[in-house]
Amino acid sequence: DAGVTQSPTHLIKTRGQHVTLRCSPISGHKSVSWYQQVLGQGPQFIFQYYEKEERGRGNFPDRFSARQFPNYSSELNVNALLLGDSALYLCASSWDRSSYNEQFFGPGTRLTVL
Amino acid sequence: AQSVTQPDIHITVSEGASLELRCNYSYGATPYLFWYVQSPGQGLQLLLKYFSGDTLVQGIKGFEAEFKRSQSSFNLRKPSVHWSDAAEYFCAVVEYGNKLVFGAGTILRVKS
Repeated sequence: DAGVTQSPTHLIKTRGQHVTLRCSPISGHKSVSWYQQVLGQGPQFIFQYYEKEERGRGNFPDRFSARQFPNYSSELNVNALLLGDSALYLCASSWDRSSYNEQFFGPGTRLTVL
Repeated sequence: AQSVTQPDIHITVSEGASLELRCNYSYGATPYLFWYVQSPGQGLQLLLKYFSGDTLVQGIKGFEAEFKRSQSSFNLRKPSVHWSDAAEYFCAVVEYGNKLVFGAGTILRVKS
């Protein structure tokens, strides 16, 4: 079975540009979460979507947005990119929002902002 | 808000030696705790988790962790480290739902 997939693997953008990152959850998983991992730090929670609705949001500016599609895949959008947005963006999927259900992480998208 | 502290940024151990990675959490009630491992270029893989019950938790790859409420700790251990264990290890706690709060990570180096 395929795990969580993310695209693209790497991305280079310049300041002020917009970026869209994509995530396909494990088949049957209805919850998708996004995390930002800056070099040298642990992942930080950005968003959680469940059944196509936003169920949680971390402490990130409004430049960050996301959505979940009917097939439960998800997109993370970042507008007006800043140098500080350079990071590994991780997507995680789980069966539902329960704490008991393991979250499975994708390999991430490495975003570099120049 | 919950927080997780991993005091050691880097740890180097010899292959075959024992390992302990430290994790301290801040949480009022009984926490749900996790250890993840991240190899270069890969996502996070769950090693083990603690929700309740037995405070000594067994995980994959020969890892175990012990929950000590009195010390607010959830340290990860392995009796004999293999070179393939070299990676970055993250301790995490659930804040709500399944939103995770991660520590800053500990990089494990294994010397032969």
